[in-house]
Amino acid sequence: EAQVTQNPRYLITVTGKKLTVTCSQNMNHEYMSWYRQDPGLGLRQIYYSMNVEVTDKGDVPEGYKVSRKEKRNFPLILESPSPNQTSLYFCASLGLQGPQKLFFGSGTQLSVL
Amino acid sequence: GENVEQHPSTLSVQEGDSAVIKCTYSDSASNYFPWYKQELGKRPQLIIDIRSNVGEKKDQRIAVTLNKTAKHFSLHITETQPEDSAVYFCAASINTNAGKSTFGDGTTLTVKP
Repeated sequence: EAQVTQNPRYLITVTGKKLTVTCSQNMNHEYMSWYRQDPGLGLRQIYYSMNVEVTDKGDVPEGYKVSRKEKRNFPLILESPSPNQTSLYFCASLGLQGPQKLFFGSGTQLSVL
Repeated sequence: GENVEQHPSTLSVQEGDSAVIKCTYSDSASNYFPWYKQELGKRPQLIIDIRSNVGEKKDQRIAVTLNKTAKHFSLHITETQPEDSAVYFCAASINTNAGKSTFGDGTTLTVKP
């Protein structure tokens, strides 16, 4: 089954404690992206990657890091989380050759205390 | 960069009525306009999309119209049903960089039985 898998589904942490949210897709998609969703603000892009070792900033990259060492994985790293990073995070992927349809993961609800 | 505005932010209709959600975009280079539906606690999923060389597209009870001159596009849902209740997001992107989608802030649609 084609899917984008995010882990964990829920995460509660404290300010300053480094964390990683994993994202993996099994569709051999070139493109992967991270979004955060906050009430009334829609989906805002954090970082995206057009292929292995190619990453670029989205609209709200501050406080986040990403890496794309393998085509299937695109982890989101928060080196020093702060309360304003409490949000719902979605990973998504897209195949650049086919229909321009973003496949979303199931989301990670992050709370930074 | 691209700016997408979506209206209304909330919409309540009676079952069987029609619902219309409107979006405007700023970048005339944008040529791909998807719509996503997000049910409560779920991930966003593509429901319909339109490209700039098409003025209207229909899929059963859902239709999308595009006015490139005015830079706006709309989602039309006819004969609404309670299961249509969800948050709807519009987005705009340039096809050559389809992953760099800019999303509207979302519309919460409630269909009352």
